[in-house]
Amino acid sequence: EVQLVESGGGLVQPGGSLRLSCAASGFTFSTYEMNWVRQAPGKGLEWVSYISSSGSIIYYADSVKGRFTISRDNAKNSLYLQMNSLRVEDTAFYYCARENGFDIWGQGTMVTVSS
Amino acid sequence: SYELTQPPSVSVSPGQTARITCSGDALPKQYAYWYQQRPGQAPVLLIYKDSERPSGIPERFSGSTSGTTVTLAISGVQAEDEADYYCQSADSSGPRVFGGGTKLTVL
Repeated sequence: EVQLVESGGGLVQPGGSLRLSCAASGFTFSTYEMNWVRQAPGKGLEWVSYISSSGSIIYYADSVKGRFTISRDNAKNSLYLQMNSLRVEDTAFYYCARENGFDIWGQGTMVTVSS
Repeated sequence: SYELTQPPSVSVSPGQTARITCSGDALPKQYAYWYQQRPGQAPVLLIYKDSERPSGIPERFSGSTSGTTVTLAISGVQAEDEADYYCQSADSSGPRVFGGGTKLTVL
């Protein structure tokens, strides 16, 4: 079964850091581009970051540029999002999604930034 | 930054056709994608590359494009189609973008 499973969410204070992981299974992870997408409570989808299949091309949304770092380990079939200098407005469900038209999504992991 | 514009809400009676638009300057050059999201669930891909339908998506979901506007049409709307719908595309320089979302209400 093709599947993405996120982990690593939780409660963190403003200015803190968190690392999200996304474990892929059921497909050849190394051949697919990947993305992180977030959704604040009651709000719409917001694209966060993209990484090419090899990791050589990376894009970020302006709202996270300089604070978040996307990476991947194709040997471990895993995608990561290192989030630093977290702000209250980063509170959201974070999804990883396979870029084939964003055809596969994980179930999401909740990140809450609050003092 | 690049933006995609959707109407916040669309209402339609059961059996009718709902049309949800998405506007963006780069849409003539970049493919558009459509997603359905029900409450508490992850989004589901409905349409890719403007008008292609993934396997398992009913034929009553269709996509079209005209200039800087793409449209998702849902024919024979059913109560189960009540959900949020999002368009998505890419900036010409690479970053992806989602529209603000449209809440479809089945009257």
